[in-house]
Amino acid sequence: KAGVTQTPRYLIKTRGQQVTLSCSPISGHRSVSWYQQTPGQGLQFLFEYFSETQRNKGNFPGRFSGRQFSNSRSEMNVSTLELGDSALYLCASSSWGSFNEKLFFGSGTQLSVL
Amino acid sequence: GNSVTQMEGPVTLSEEAFLTINCTYTATGYPSLFWYVQYPGEGLQLLLKATKADDKGSNKGFEATYRKETTSFHLEKGSVQVSDSAVYFCALSDAAGGTSYGKLTFGQGTILTVHP
Repeated sequence: KAGVTQTPRYLIKTRGQQVTLSCSPISGHRSVSWYQQTPGQGLQFLFEYFSETQRNKGNFPGRFSGRQFSNSRSEMNVSTLELGDSALYLCASSSWGSFNEKLFFGSGTQLSVL
Repeated sequence: GNSVTQMEGPVTLSEEAFLTINCTYTATGYPSLFWYVQYPGEGLQLLLKATKADDKGSNKGFEATYRKETTSFHLEKGSVQVSDSAVYFCALSDAAGGTSYGKLTFGQGTILTVHP
């Protein structure tokens, strides 16, 4: 069974631009979560989608958004990029997104904002 | 709110040494507790978990016991190997308030380096 796939692996953008990251969950998983990982703030939860609906959201500005498609693939978008958005963005999937479920993580997209 | 505190790193050990990484938590409800491991250039992998008080999670020689009285979930391994070098994250998921979907609260991570 293929794991969680994130594309692209690396991205370089400039301030003010926007970016879209993609995540394909494990086949059969309907819950997709996104996390931001930085050396200073560690791992922070962005949002979670299940059956194309956002069910949970972390404390990030509205510039961060996401969506999920009917095949459970998910994208996240960051508009008007700031230097502080440079981070590793991780996607995770699970069957139901329940609180005691194991999350399967992708390898991440490393975003650098110049 | 929920929070997880891990011991400061990095931790450097010789092969076959005993490992302890401390983790304490604060939660509003009855959380599930996890240890995840991140190898260089990779995403996180679940190492072990415990879903209720006094449960012991174990995997690959690692163990952690859910201690409600001390709000702790310390990771231990009796004899570490070079291949255990990685970053270890303690995390919790709290069902209280129905806001737990897909959400883990992580500690800051502890870098472990094991020398031959």
